[in-house]
Amino acid sequence: DAGVTQSPTHLIKTRGQHVTLRCSPISGHKSVSWYQQVLGQGPQFIFQYYEKEERGRGNFPDRFSARQFPNYSSELNVNALLLGDSALYLCASSRNIQSYEQYFGPGTRLTVT
Amino acid sequence: DAKTTQPPSMDCAEGRAANLPCNHSTISGNEYVYWYRQIHSQGPQYIIHGLKNNETNEMASLIITEDRKSSTLILPHATLRDTAVYYCIVRGWDSNYQLIWGAGTKLIIKP
Repeated sequence: DAGVTQSPTHLIKTRGQHVTLRCSPISGHKSVSWYQQVLGQGPQFIFQYYEKEERGRGNFPDRFSARQFPNYSSELNVNALLLGDSALYLCASSRNIQSYEQYFGPGTRLTVT
Repeated sequence: DAKTTQPPSMDCAEGRAANLPCNHSTISGNEYVYWYRQIHSQGPQYIIHGLKNNETNEMASLIITEDRKSSTLILPHATLRDTAVYYCIVRGWDSNYQLIWGAGTKLIIKP
């Protein structure tokens, strides 16, 4: 089975622009979480979705939004990009919301100039 | 804020056991201890988790002290491919299922 896939792998945007990142979970997994990882730090939780509903939100501004589709894939949207949004964005899937294990994708490297 | 404290870096000789400590003195009764690792340029990978009993799987062993205030992840025969950042995380079964990550321990396996 394929693991968690994310697209694109790398992205360069300019301040003020908007970006959409995509994630496809492992087949059969219904929960998707998004994390932001700045260089040298651990991942920071942004959102968790389960069965197309938001079930958790981290301490991120309203410029960050996400959704989950009927096929359980997910999008993370960031508006009005700032230089500080430059990071690795990680998507993780799990079978359900209480699963012990989260399976991470390779991430999308976003650079804001 | 992360509920765990880990040393920023450690070295271990190839073939030896790597013992990674983690302090979680404020852990509550319903919180589990999880370990993940992140190899350079990859997404994090689940290793093991436990509540109060010691746990072992094909990757590692987890030793949790009786008071649950600290734990140790043991990689029994470290290889060069085990070089990674190792994260110790505590998480409870409440309405918020997020993982709260610290900075982790950079483990370097030396030949």
